[in-house]
Amino acid sequence: DVKVTQSSRYLVKRTGEKVFLECVQDMDHENMFWYRQDPGLGLRLIYFSYDVKMKEKGDIPEGYSVSREKKERFSLILESASTNQTSMYLCASSGQGAGKAFFGQGTRLTVV
Amino acid sequence: DAKTTQPPSMDCAEGRAANLPCNHSTISGNEYVYWYRQIHSQGPQYIIHGLKNNETNEMASLIITEDRKSSTLILPHATLRDTAVYYCIVRTRTGSARQLTFGSGTQLTVLP
Repeated sequence: DVKVTQSSRYLVKRTGEKVFLECVQDMDHENMFWYRQDPGLGLRLIYFSYDVKMKEKGDIPEGYSVSREKKERFSLILESASTNQTSMYLCASSGQGAGKAFFGQGTRLTVV
Repeated sequence: DAKTTQPPSMDCAEGRAANLPCNHSTISGNEYVYWYRQIHSQGPQYIIHGLKNNETNEMASLIITEDRKSSTLILPHATLRDTAVYYCIVRTRTGSARQLTFGSGTQLTVLP
């Protein structure tokens, strides 16, 4: 089975901290994604990557950056965490074409 | 990409078929219909996809109308564990990864 693993299920960080969310996939997928999910707003795409070192902004990239140094790993970075970044963060990966994606279990981040 | 319209919520009795509709009246000839679901507090899960023929797998059946302007996801014998938000997405199969965009979906509640 395809596995997408997010490093933490729950995370609590302080305002202003630099936060790293890690995601690893084991299916040699080209595409990887970071979404956030908030009540009433659904899943919103933050960034995605279609190859190593390649990235594109999604719909809400402000306040975030990403890193993809290896094909299997995609990191989401909050340079200076703020309370409005409290959310559920979901990582996903997919092969060529991107339609059939596999998601991790999510990281519930609370910024206090 | 074509937009989709889904009812915000539906109920279904346990053991009965759940029929979830999706309208995609502006779908293009090379766009596929994908269905995902998200059980509470988990990442979305791919269910099925199709182009124009009806499709069936171990989870569900997908019925696409002849004009391809709408589709129905069928869970033949719904169980309480099928309670989830169901998302219908329309996109090309080989398009950009950016096309994996989720709408608000249908909250299906399976009642005992």
